[in-house]
Amino acid sequence: DAGVTQSPTHLIKTRGQQVTLRCSPKSGHDTVSWYQQALGQGPQFIFQYYEEEERQRGNFPDRFSGHQFPNYSSELNVNALLLGDSALYLCASSDGPTLATNEKLFFGSGTQLSVL
Amino acid sequence: DQQVKQNSPSLSVQEGRISILNCDYTNSMFDYFLWYKKYPAEGPTFLISISSIKDKNEDGRFTVFLNKSAKHLSLHIVPSQPGDSAVYFCAARDSSYKLIFGSGTRLLVRP
Repeated sequence: DAGVTQSPTHLIKTRGQQVTLRCSPKSGHDTVSWYQQALGQGPQFIFQYYEEEERQRGNFPDRFSGHQFPNYSSELNVNALLLGDSALYLCASSDGPTLATNEKLFFGSGTQLSVL
Repeated sequence: DQQVKQNSPSLSVQEGRISILNCDYTNSMFDYFLWYKKYPAEGPTFLISISSIKDKNEDGRFTVFLNKSAKHLSLHIVPSQPGDSAVYFCAARDSSYKLIFGSGTRLLVRP
């Protein structure tokens, strides 16, 4: 049973560029959430996708956008990259958009993005 | 404005002793709390959780305690093992069902 898979594992970009990160959820899961983890910080919620729509959004600018495909996989796009966007980007999947008690998010290993 | 705080960035304990990791929160509407463990180059993995209607949940060597009046929870690991060395994140579920994470505590268990 494949868990949450993310690609690429590492990425180096320069300021102003655009980046696309990819995520495949755990088998049986239909909801994907994206988190940003800056160095020394905990994961911060970016947004959640369910039924191919953005259902919730955290406090991130519009430069951060996403997409979910019919097979439940998802992409995170970041435009006009800033140095401060350097972070580990984590994808998490769940069965449904409302994390019920006794349920949990399953995380991928993340994509380490470095913006130079 | 951090709603979930882990004030100890690191903790070092001897193998076989108890590890106690602490977490404080500010939002009384949080109703579900989770602990995640993270090894380098891996994503966080779920460890244990507790509902706000309980004050204790135990799973093997891991026990989570919740003190709602103090808005405080703690994770106890007994006995600690070197393989427990990792970063531990406390997380709380908000009213829209998303998780709010603390900044993590790095635990080192010395052989």
